Amino acid sequence: QVQLQESGPGLVKPSETLSLTCTVSGDSVSSYTWSWIRQPAGKGLEWIGRFYTGGRPDYSPSLRGRVTMSVDTSKNQVSLNLTSVTAADTAVYYCVRYTDYGYNWFDPWGQGTLVTVSS
Amino acid sequence: DIQMTQSPSSLSASVGDRVTITCRASQNIGSYLNWYQQKPGRVPKLLIYTASTLPSGVPSRFSGRTSGTDFTLIISSLQPEDFATYYCQQGYNSPYTFGQGTKLEIK
Repeated sequence: QVQLQESGPGLVKPSETLSLTCTVSGDSVSSYTWSWIRQPAGKGLEWIGRFYTGGRPDYSPSLRGRVTMSVDTSKNQVSLNLTSVTAADTAVYYCVRYTDYGYNWFDPWGQGTLVTVSS
Repeated sequence: DIQMTQSPSSLSASVGDRVTITCRASQNIGSYLNWYQQKPGRVPKLLIYTASTLPSGVPSRFSGRTSGTDFTLIISSLQPEDFATYYCQQGYNSPYTFGQGTKLEIK
């Protein structure tokens, strides 16, 4: 059973870069497509993007230009970088497997990590 | 972007009630519709995929229906553990968008 665990700084200063890592256990990171989804406190879910090994990344237009996703197969990890952050980027960030069998859905989800943007 | 609109935004119900939550897509998305359940302080959990398919382990009191661009999540007999926020999500086109959520509370 695939398990996902996000990690990274819980506090990032405005204008700096948010960097998160998702460690995948139970399967190879190169076997699937991975997404990041975020959720500001008390609000809804926002898809950030998806990436798979050897593939072309697909990012949300609202974040394109600031977001980069990558996969490290040697560590079985997925990474997220978000540059020039503002308070609006404060949220819980989830690493999620994007399951695609023609139809697609997000499952499973990591536990999430809270990132606060503040000076 | 495809807009997903859920109704109602919040709902009060009692244990044993039949509950219906609706999600409307701004364009045709076929059956590319998923539902997630998020309990307070917890991680979202896949509840239904492809509009009506239940993952293993999801109780059969949950069901999903489709009528054109309208999708319905039905809980046939509400249980205490069902009080949560429910989100729909379209997987038809990137960017993959979610509804704003429906908070189901105890009456």
